Amino acid sequence: EAGVAQSPRYKIIEKRQSVAFWCNPISGHATLYWYQQILGQGPKLLIQFQNNGVVDDSQLPKDRFSAERLKGVDSTLKIQPAKLEDSAVYLCASSLIQGGETQYFGPGTRLLVL
Amino acid sequence: GEDVEQSLFLSVREGDSSVINCTYTDSSSTYLYWYKQEPGAGLQLLTYIFSNMDMKQDQRLTVLLNKKDKHLSLRIADTQTGDSAIYFCAEQGGATNKLIFGTGTLLAVQP
Repeated sequence: EAGVAQSPRYKIIEKRQSVAFWCNPISGHATLYWYQQILGQGPKLLIQFQNNGVVDDSQLPKDRFSAERLKGVDSTLKIQPAKLEDSAVYLCASSLIQGGETQYFGPGTRLLVL
Repeated sequence: GEDVEQSLFLSVREGDSSVINCTYTDSSSTYLYWYKQEPGAGLQLLTYIFSNMDMKQDQRLTVLLNKKDKHLSLRIADTQTGDSAIYFCAEQGGATNKLIFGTGTLLAVQP
């Protein structure tokens, strides 16, 4: 079974630029998550989708971050404009259903904002 | 509020047992997880325990849960150099069953 795929693996941008990350979850997984992991910290949930609907985006900085999962499969996370403090690893995870189901993580996208 | 705490660092010798500890605050957590993260990699699920269990064993891994004290531990028997990584505990609960992660414990295994 293929795992969660993410691209790109690395991205370096200057502050105030825009960036987008892509995630392809495990086939058949209805729930998709985006996490932000700042160096030295544990991952923090940014947004959770159930199929193509948003379940939880309470921790998403909506003035600059946006995410979509239009067809209930792949998802994109965008930052516009980026700030220095957005430098982090962005992890995508998926689970079969919501609630009590194990989340499987992708390799992450490492973002450096200069 | 939700908070998960772990010690930052643990150093052991190869062949010894490692015990990584975690405390959490949400008494309504349904599942508690242990994830492993190697340098430059994503999170790998190691094991999990349902909140109505006290112990779970899976090969070299033993998870102990003290629900009264909200304390979770991961014991790795016969620790190997390949076990060197950052270990995260996470609690799952709340209306959306989101994961709340600890800050991670860096396990260093000395040969």
